[in-house]
Amino acid sequence: DAGVTQSPTHLIKTRGQQVTLRCSPKSGHDTVSWYQQALGQGPQFIFQYYEEEERQRGNFPDRFSGHQFPNYSSELNVNALLLGDSALYLCASSLVGDPSTDTQYFGPGTRLTVL
Amino acid sequence: GESVGLHLPTLSVQEGDNSIINCAYSNSASDYFIWYKQESGKGPQFIIDIRSNMDKRQGQRVTVLLNKTVKHLSLQIAATQPGDSAVYFCAEITAAGNKLTFGGGTRVLVKP
Repeated sequence: DAGVTQSPTHLIKTRGQQVTLRCSPKSGHDTVSWYQQALGQGPQFIFQYYEEEERQRGNFPDRFSGHQFPNYSSELNVNALLLGDSALYLCASSLVGDPSTDTQYFGPGTRLTVL
Repeated sequence: GESVGLHLPTLSVQEGDNSIINCAYSNSASDYFIWYKQESGKGPQFIIDIRSNMDKRQGQRVTVLLNKTVKHLSLQIAATQPGDSAVYFCAEITAAGNKLTFGGGTRVLVKP
């Protein structure tokens, strides 16, 4: 049973560039959530995708966008990168509609460094 | 791997002792709480969860206690082992949505 996978593991970009991060959910899951984790802090919710639609969004600017594909995998895109976007980006998957659990399972993350 | 939680409060525990990690949550509407463990260079790993209609839940070597009156959550780890060294986060979910809101985290260091 494959867990949540993310790619790439590490990424270095310069200010103003654009980046795309990828996530494959845990087998059987249909919902993907993205979080940003700065050093020394807990993860902050960016947005969640279900049925290829953005279902809920946190307090992040429009520079952060996403997409979910028919196979439930997802991408996070960040435009016009700022130094402050340097962080660990985490993807979490879950199964919506299952009343027994709302548990989100996390991938290993993508470490983004903006220079 | 990168270091998680450079400025987090730290709990130092002797191997074999019990650990208690505390968390205060803010939203009285939250109805589901989860404890995650995060090791350096890894994503958060699910440990145990509890619904708001419960005040205690036990797992293997772990117990979560929920006090809704004071909006407090705790994680107890029995017979702490070196592999328990990590940063621990509590997270809450409201009935209105599925987004996790994380607390600030506590670093646990297990001394041999």
